[in-house]
Amino acid sequence: NAGVTQTPKFQVLKTGQSMTLQCAQDMNHEYMSWYRQDPGMGLRLIHYSVGAGITDQGEVPNGYNVSRSTTEDFPLRLLSAAPSQTSVYFCASSYSNRMNTEAFFGQGTRLTVV
Amino acid sequence: RKEVEQDPGPFNVPEGATVAFNCTYSNSASQSFFWYRQDCRKEPKLLMSVYSSGNEDGRFTAQLNRASQYISLLIRDSKLSDSATYLCVASRANFYNNNDMRFGAGTRLTVKP
Repeated sequence: NAGVTQTPKFQVLKTGQSMTLQCAQDMNHEYMSWYRQDPGMGLRLIHYSVGAGITDQGEVPNGYNVSRSTTEDFPLRLLSAAPSQTSVYFCASSYSNRMNTEAFFGQGTRLTVV
Repeated sequence: RKEVEQDPGPFNVPEGATVAFNCTYSNSASQSFFWYRQDCRKEPKLLMSVYSSGNEDGRFTAQLNRASQYISLLIRDSKLSDSATYLCVASRANFYNNNDMRFGAGTRLTVKP
């Protein structure tokens, strides 16, 4: 069972570079989201999507773009990396039309911006 | 102020101890509540949902007090394998999504022999 797959697992970027973090799920979940996790801050929502073609901003969207062309894929783009974007990034998916539904997370991407 | 607040710990307890974690949430529109477990350098995984009537899963008991906007997790007979960070989650519905989840920063537990 693949669940939620994130790539890459590790990445080092130079300030100003751009990159895309990939996320794919095979559970036919409508809802997908991206979080960043920093020490002492917990998981903070960056962007989310409730279905193909629909995305919206979370708590900390600045510096990131997303798109959702298919149900399965939800890539996160860093347009011009900054040291403040050094973090661990998690993609998650769940059903969106049910209460008390479990969120499934990918294994995370550890990003360092130098 | 974060929407979900937790004591960050760390909690260091001996095997067999009982330990309790507390969590408060500020958004009264929150409707669903969870505890997630996160092992070091791993992704969060659902430990249990939290219901108003309280619920138990083996050695784990979760309680919800809506009036006080307070959630708790009790772990009895702690095992070495319980060492992890425990994340409190409050979820609310918005226009698009019935599961808009807000996470606390986590409480770290270390169980020692």
